[in-house]
Amino acid sequence: EAQVTQNPRYLITVTGKKLTVTCSQNMNHEYMSWYRQDPGLGLRQIYYSMNVEVTDKGDVPEGYKVSRKEKRNFPLILESPSPNQTSLYFCASSTRAAETQYFGPGTRLLVL
Amino acid sequence: QKEVEQDPGPLSVPEGAIVSLNCTYSNSAFQYFMWYRQYSRKGPELLMYTYSSGNKEDGRFTAQVDKSSKYISLFIRDSQPSDSATYLCATLILTGGGNKLTFGTGTQLKVEL
Repeated sequence: EAQVTQNPRYLITVTGKKLTVTCSQNMNHEYMSWYRQDPGLGLRQIYYSMNVEVTDKGDVPEGYKVSRKEKRNFPLILESPSPNQTSLYFCASSTRAAETQYFGPGTRLLVL
Repeated sequence: QKEVEQDPGPLSVPEGAIVSLNCTYSNSAFQYFMWYRQYSRKGPELLMYTYSSGNKEDGRFTAQVDKSSKYISLFIRDSQPSDSATYLCATLILTGGGNKLTFGTGTQLKVEL
């Protein structure tokens, strides 16, 4: 089954404790991205990757890191999480054209 | 001003009603226009996308784009309780350096029996 998987689905952590949210897709897509979704603000892009070893900032990259060492994986790293990073996070993948983005199930993060 | 504006709702309609969901956008460079549906506790899924002005139909759903007024609409005919979800409009610019997808904030729809 074609899908995008994210882990963990739910995470509670404390300020400053480094964490990684994993994202994996099995569709051989070149394009992957991370979004955060907040009430009243909608989906905002954090980082995206056009292909292996090619990443770039989206609209709200501050406080996040990403890497793309393999085509299928695109982890999101929070080196020192803060409460304003409490949010619902989605990973998405698509072909290069990006007309159709396939979203993962989401990761709900709470930073205390 | 946000690049893509969308009324957040909530919008509540009786089963069988025709639903109209709307967005406006500000950047005339946007090339593709999409509608995503997001059920509670799920990721968004693409419903439809269109490239040009005019209508595109898929079953009970019709997407409409008016580039002259920068207006995007989604019509749902014979709405069903299973259509209850949040609907997100989105616009896309294709660039050499990275394709830019911009979402509206979403309209929450509830279709009641």
